[in-house]
Amino acid sequence: DVKVTQSSRYLVKRTGEKVFLECVQDMDHENMFWYRQDPGLGLRLIYFSYDVKMKEKGDIPEGYSVSREKKERFSLILESASTNQTSMYLCASSHTGGLGAYEQYFGPGTRLTVT
Amino acid sequence: QKEVEQNSGPLSVPEGAIASLNCTYSDRGSQSFFWYRQYSGKSPELIMSIYSNGDKEDGRFTAQLNKASQYVSLLIRDSQPSDSATYLCAVNSGGYQKVTFGTGTKLQVIP
Repeated sequence: DVKVTQSSRYLVKRTGEKVFLECVQDMDHENMFWYRQDPGLGLRLIYFSYDVKMKEKGDIPEGYSVSREKKERFSLILESASTNQTSMYLCASSHTGGLGAYEQYFGPGTRLTVT
Repeated sequence: QKEVEQNSGPLSVPEGAIASLNCTYSDRGSQSFFWYRQYSGKSPELIMSIYSNGDKEDGRFTAQLNKASQYVSLLIRDSQPSDSATYLCAVNSGGYQKVTFGTGTKLQVIP
């Protein structure tokens, strides 16, 4: 079974703090994604990566950055947390090509509260 | 703008009935289609993938794809209260890593 893990289930940070969210997958997937999910707005893509050190902006990249130094690990960084970044953050991974291509598997999520 | 549209619901069905969830998409180049189930407070879980026109069955779930009409549906037979969740439709436009998610349909199965 695909397993995607996230570093924290719940996180409380103060405005202006630098926040790191980490995601690890164990299925050798090429692609990794960071989403946020807010009531009524659905899943919104922040950034994704299709290879080590490669990244592409999603729909709402402002205020976020990412890092992918190893294939299995994808980090989301909030440079200076703000209250409007309070949300559920979801990491996902998928592979390209072959059976099950582009099926995304999600981690359990991190509920971040910025006060 | 590539879009995936779903009725937000809630869709209420009695226990044992068939629940029918629908999704339309705008990009005619879409090639891969997925259904996810998301319980409240949890992350989405992949339940079905479908890639060609027609029906695909897996236990109580049947996914139906009609590319000419640009819709994909999910049928849940013998609905159980444990099926109560939000169901997300997702579409991949061939050869690109991203998928576009709908906002989901909330299903309530009434005992």
